[in-house]
Amino acid sequence: AQSVTQLGSHVSVSEGALVLLRCNYSSSVPPYLFWYVQYPNQGLQLLLKYTTGATLVKGINGFEAEFKKSETSFHLTKPSAHMSDAAEYFCAVRNGGATNKLIFGTGTLLAVQP
Amino acid sequence: GAGVSQSPSNKVTEKGKDVELRCDPISGHTALYWYRQSLGQGLEFLIYFQGNSAPDKSGLPSDRFSAERTGGSVSTLTIQRTQQEDSAVYLCASSLGGQLGNEQFFGPGTRLTVL
Repeated sequence: AQSVTQLGSHVSVSEGALVLLRCNYSSSVPPYLFWYVQYPNQGLQLLLKYTTGATLVKGINGFEAEFKKSETSFHLTKPSAHMSDAAEYFCAVRNGGATNKLIFGTGTLLAVQP
Repeated sequence: GAGVSQSPSNKVTEKGKDVELRCDPISGHTALYWYRQSLGQGLEFLIYFQGNSAPDKSGLPSDRFSAERTGGSVSTLTIQRTQQEDSAVYLCASSLGGQLGNEQFFGPGTRLTVL
């Protein structure tokens, strides 16, 4: 079975500081991993994904994530936080069956302080 | 181009009433997913359509929940005899197919409140 754990339901950083959102996964098949962002009263938007190949994945808005198989992690980072990054972030892993459904973590709400 | 749209954006209903939630996927997307986002349960998968067929209904929480898809396009999620625990945001997503790694594009959701 597949599962995702996001450490820290709330993270607060100062504008310009490093953003680090943690995600650990469990998967019985080679994992496909995703980070989504959700702004208030909006749907989910894909930030980046890892399927195969290069383990450092770059996404939109300056975010990137590194797949570390040995640590079963897929942490999301951004070197310098911007006020507009304040949102909720979800890590997800694809289901191992044929449907490609996503199993989500519980989310991390990022606050950016001026 | 147009993204995934959902209607209504908000729905308030009384306990015991039936509700229908609509999803219009991106044109040409054969795969369609319903998820539910609630405070206690986070984001949960409900049902998956490939074309008009639903090969995976494993996430539907009870037999009060059903969904259909017609013409390989619009989908309707129906909740019968609503209960307060059904209050949540219902999200629809579509993708080019059910193939691994295909990006799912999400709609804005329908916020359901059961009084």
